[in-house]
Amino acid sequence: QKEVEQDPGPLSVPEGAIVSLNCTYSNSAFQYFMWYRQYSRKGPELLMYTYSSGNKEDGRFTAQVDKSSKYISLFIRDSQPSDSATYLCALAHDKIIFGKGTRLHILP
Amino acid sequence: DTAVSQTPKYLVTQMGNDKSIKCEQNLGHDTMYWYKQDSKKFLKIMFSYNNKELIINETVPNRFSPKSPDKAHLNLHINSLELGDSAVYFCASRYTGGTNEQFFGPGTRLTVL
Repeated sequence: QKEVEQDPGPLSVPEGAIVSLNCTYSNSAFQYFMWYRQYSRKGPELLMYTYSSGNKEDGRFTAQVDKSSKYISLFIRDSQPSDSATYLCALAHDKIIFGKGTRLHILP
Repeated sequence: DTAVSQTPKYLVTQMGNDKSIKCEQNLGHDTMYWYKQDSKKFLKIMFSYNNKELIINETVPNRFSPKSPDKAHLNLHINSLELGDSAVYFCASRYTGGTNEQFFGPGTRLTVL
Protein backbone atom coordinates (compact mmCIF):
# COMPACT_ATOMS: atom_id res chain seq x y z
CA GLN A 1 0.00 0.00 0.00
CA LYS A 2 1.32 3.44 -0.92
CA GLU A 3 1.98 5.82 1.95
CA VAL A 4 -0.45 8.42 0.64
CA GLU A 5 -3.31 7.83 -1.79
CA GLN A 6 -5.13 10.62 -3.59
CA ASP A 7 -7.55 10.39 -6.50
CA PRO A 8 -6.02 12.38 -9.40
CA GLY A 9 -9.38 13.38 -10.86
CA PRO A 10 -10.11 15.47 -12.80
CA LEU A 11 -13.03 16.64 -10.73
CA SER A 12 -15.43 19.07 -12.41
CA VAL A 13 -18.12 20.84 -10.39
CA PRO A 14 -20.37 23.83 -11.08
CA GLU A 15 -19.60 27.20 -9.55
CA GLY A 16 -21.05 27.56 -6.07
CA ALA A 17 -20.95 23.84 -5.27
CA ILE A 18 -19.25 22.35 -2.23
CA VAL A 19 -16.08 20.49 -3.17
CA SER A 20 -14.70 17.58 -1.19
CA LEU A 21 -11.11 16.44 -1.74
CA ASN A 22 -9.63 13.49 0.12
CA CYS A 23 -6.50 11.54 0.89
CA THR A 24 -5.92 8.31 2.75
CA TYR A 25 -2.65 7.26 4.30
CA SER A 26 -1.15 4.15 5.80
CA ASN A 27 1.55 5.36 8.20
CA SER A 28 0.23 6.30 11.63
CA ALA A 29 3.49 8.19 12.32
CA PHE A 30 2.29 11.15 10.25
CA GLN A 31 1.69 14.07 12.59
CA TYR A 32 1.31 17.06 10.30
CA PHE A 33 -1.30 17.35 7.59
CA MET A 34 -1.29 19.95 4.87
CA TRP A 35 -3.08 20.91 1.70
CA TYR A 36 -1.21 22.66 -1.08
CA ARG A 37 -2.78 24.35 -4.09
CA GLN A 38 -0.95 24.42 -7.40
CA TYR A 39 -2.07 26.57 -10.28
CA SER A 40 -1.03 25.62 -13.78
CA ARG A 41 2.66 26.31 -14.44
CA LYS A 42 3.23 27.51 -10.86
CA GLY A 43 4.78 26.04 -7.75
CA PRO A 44 2.59 24.57 -5.00
CA GLU A 45 1.58 26.95 -2.20
CA LEU A 46 0.37 26.04 1.26
CA LEU A 47 -3.37 26.37 1.73
CA MET A 48 -4.12 24.67 5.04
CA TYR A 49 -2.03 23.17 7.84
CA THR A 50 -3.17 21.02 10.78
CA TYR A 51 -1.47 18.75 13.27
CA SER A 52 -4.34 17.11 15.08
CA SER A 53 -7.58 15.32 14.42
CA GLY A 54 -10.60 17.53 13.91
CA ASN A 55 -11.55 20.46 11.73
CA LYS A 56 -9.77 23.67 10.88
CA GLU A 57 -11.57 26.42 9.02
CA ASP A 58 -10.15 29.32 7.02
CA GLY A 59 -12.68 31.29 5.04
CA ARG A 60 -14.30 29.03 2.46
CA PHE A 61 -11.84 26.22 3.21
CA THR A 62 -12.13 23.54 5.89
CA ALA A 63 -9.48 20.90 6.53
CA GLN A 64 -10.55 17.76 8.34
CA VAL A 65 -8.31 15.10 9.81
CA ASP A 66 -9.44 11.71 11.10
CA LYS A 67 -6.36 9.97 12.46
CA SER A 68 -8.29 6.86 13.53
CA SER A 69 -9.38 6.27 9.92
CA LYS A 70 -6.16 7.71 8.43
CA TYR A 71 -8.25 9.98 6.27
CA ILE A 72 -7.93 13.69 5.55
CA SER A 73 -10.26 15.96 3.65
CA LEU A 74 -10.41 19.47 2.27
CA PHE A 75 -13.80 21.10 1.76
CA ILE A 76 -14.30 24.18 -0.38
CA ARG A 77 -17.57 26.03 0.08
CA ASP A 78 -19.10 28.32 -2.53
CA SER A 79 -16.51 27.20 -5.07
CA GLN A 80 -15.28 29.78 -7.56
CA PRO A 81 -13.67 29.42 -11.02
CA SER A 82 -10.49 30.80 -9.41
CA ASP A 83 -10.37 27.67 -7.24
CA SER A 84 -9.60 25.64 -10.37
CA ALA A 85 -6.19 24.14 -9.66
CA THR A 86 -4.49 20.94 -8.55
CA TYR A 87 -4.79 20.26 -4.82
CA LEU A 88 -2.10 18.15 -3.20
CA CYS A 89 -2.33 16.69 0.25
CA ALA A 90 0.96 16.49 2.13
CA LEU A 91 1.73 14.54 5.27
CA ALA A 92 4.82 14.81 7.42
CA HIS A 93 6.65 13.14 10.26
CA ASP A 94 10.42 13.06 9.75
CA LYS A 95 9.89 13.82 6.08
CA ILE A 96 7.06 15.12 3.94
CA ILE A 97 5.14 12.95 1.50
CA PHE A 98 2.89 14.49 -1.13
CA GLY A 99 -0.20 12.92 -2.62
CA LYS A 100 -0.44 12.79 -6.39
CA GLY A 101 -2.81 15.75 -6.45
CA THR A 102 -6.42 16.12 -7.58
CA ARG A 103 -7.14 18.35 -10.56
CA LEU A 104 -10.21 20.46 -9.84
CA HIS A 105 -12.22 22.38 -12.43
CA ILE A 106 -14.92 24.80 -11.31
CA LEU A 107 -17.32 25.39 -14.17
CA PRO A 108 -18.73 28.94 -14.44
CA ASP B 1 10.66 40.38 -2.89
CA THR B 2 11.20 37.54 -0.43
CA ALA B 3 10.88 34.31 -2.33
CA VAL B 4 12.35 31.13 -3.70
CA SER B 5 13.71 31.76 -7.17
CA GLN B 6 14.94 29.34 -9.80
CA THR B 7 16.85 29.75 -13.03
CA PRO B 8 16.24 29.02 -15.77
CA LYS B 9 12.44 28.77 -16.00
CA TYR B 10 12.61 26.74 -19.18
CA LEU B 11 15.38 24.47 -20.41
CA VAL B 12 15.31 22.61 -23.71
CA THR B 13 18.31 20.44 -24.49
CA GLN B 14 19.49 17.37 -26.34
CA MET B 15 19.94 13.93 -24.88
CA GLY B 16 23.41 13.37 -23.50
CA ASN B 17 24.03 17.00 -22.57
CA ASP B 18 24.91 18.24 -19.08
CA LYS B 19 22.85 21.04 -17.54
CA SER B 20 22.44 22.88 -14.25
CA ILE B 21 19.49 24.46 -12.49
CA LYS B 22 20.00 27.07 -9.79
CA CYS B 23 17.88 27.88 -6.76
CA GLU B 24 18.10 30.73 -4.29
CA GLN B 25 15.95 31.60 -1.30
CA ASN B 26 16.07 34.83 0.69
CA LEU B 27 13.65 33.69 3.40
CA GLY B 28 16.39 32.84 5.89
CA HIS B 29 15.42 29.16 5.80
CA ASP B 30 17.91 26.47 6.75
CA THR B 31 16.58 23.56 4.70
CA MET B 32 16.22 23.34 0.92
CA TYR B 33 14.78 20.68 -1.35
CA TRP B 34 14.68 19.55 -4.94
CA TYR B 35 11.49 17.91 -6.23
CA LYS B 36 10.66 16.37 -9.59
CA GLN B 37 7.12 16.67 -10.91
CA ASP B 38 6.36 14.42 -13.84
CA SER B 39 3.71 14.79 -16.53
CA LYS B 40 1.11 13.23 -14.23
CA LYS B 41 1.77 15.95 -11.66
CA PHE B 42 3.30 13.55 -9.15
CA LEU B 43 5.62 15.57 -6.90
CA LYS B 44 8.52 13.46 -5.71
CA ILE B 45 11.33 14.55 -3.43
CA MET B 46 14.85 14.09 -4.77
CA PHE B 47 17.20 15.76 -2.29
CA SER B 48 17.15 17.79 0.88
CA TYR B 49 19.92 19.90 2.39
CA ASN B 50 20.01 21.31 5.90
CA ASN B 51 22.66 23.96 6.57
CA LYS B 52 24.56 22.87 3.44
CA GLU B 53 24.53 19.21 4.47
CA LEU B 54 22.73 16.49 2.52
CA ILE B 55 20.02 14.93 4.70
CA ILE B 56 17.69 13.27 2.19
CA ASN B 57 18.84 11.49 -0.94
CA GLU B 58 16.02 9.49 -2.44
CA THR B 59 16.56 6.88 -5.11
CA VAL B 60 17.86 9.19 -7.80
CA PRO B 61 20.36 8.27 -10.53
CA ASN B 62 23.85 9.45 -9.70
CA ARG B 63 23.73 11.55 -12.87
CA PHE B 64 21.94 14.04 -10.59
CA SER B 65 24.29 15.89 -8.27
CA PRO B 66 23.07 18.59 -5.90
CA LYS B 67 25.38 21.22 -4.51
CA SER B 68 24.75 23.71 -1.74
CA PRO B 69 27.40 26.44 -1.60
CA ASP B 70 25.59 28.13 1.30
CA LYS B 71 22.27 27.96 3.16
CA ALA B 72 20.55 30.20 0.65
CA HIS B 73 21.50 28.28 -2.49
CA LEU B 74 20.90 24.76 -3.74
CA ASN B 75 21.89 23.90 -7.29
CA LEU B 76 21.17 20.76 -9.28
CA HIS B 77 23.54 19.48 -11.93
CA ILE B 78 22.40 16.75 -14.30
CA ASN B 79 24.86 14.78 -16.41
CA SER B 80 24.11 12.80 -19.56
CA LEU B 81 20.50 13.91 -19.80
CA GLU B 82 17.93 11.28 -20.81
CA LEU B 83 14.44 11.57 -22.27
CA GLY B 84 12.96 10.45 -18.96
CA ASP B 85 14.49 13.42 -17.20
CA SER B 86 11.92 15.68 -18.87
CA ALA B 87 9.83 17.10 -16.05
CA VAL B 88 9.32 20.21 -13.97
CA TYR B 89 11.89 20.55 -11.21
CA PHE B 90 10.87 22.50 -8.14
CA CYS B 91 13.11 23.93 -5.48
CA ALA B 92 11.62 24.49 -2.03
CA SER B 93 12.80 25.75 1.33
CA ARG B 94 11.72 25.52 4.94
CA TYR B 95 12.75 26.73 8.37
CA THR B 96 13.10 23.65 10.59
CA GLY B 97 12.32 25.62 13.71
CA GLY B 98 8.89 26.52 12.42
CA THR B 99 6.02 24.60 10.87
CA ASN B 100 6.41 22.01 8.14
CA GLU B 101 5.43 24.55 5.49
CA GLN B 102 7.66 24.45 2.47
CA PHE B 103 7.89 27.42 0.14
CA PHE B 104 8.22 26.45 -3.48
CA GLY B 105 9.95 28.16 -6.35
CA PRO B 106 8.22 28.67 -9.72
CA GLY B 107 9.75 25.54 -11.21
CA THR B 108 12.11 24.78 -14.09
CA ARG B 109 10.52 23.02 -17.03
CA LEU B 110 13.15 20.71 -18.51
CA THR B 111 12.57 19.18 -21.92
CA VAL B 112 15.06 16.65 -23.21
CA LEU B 113 14.87 16.01 -26.96
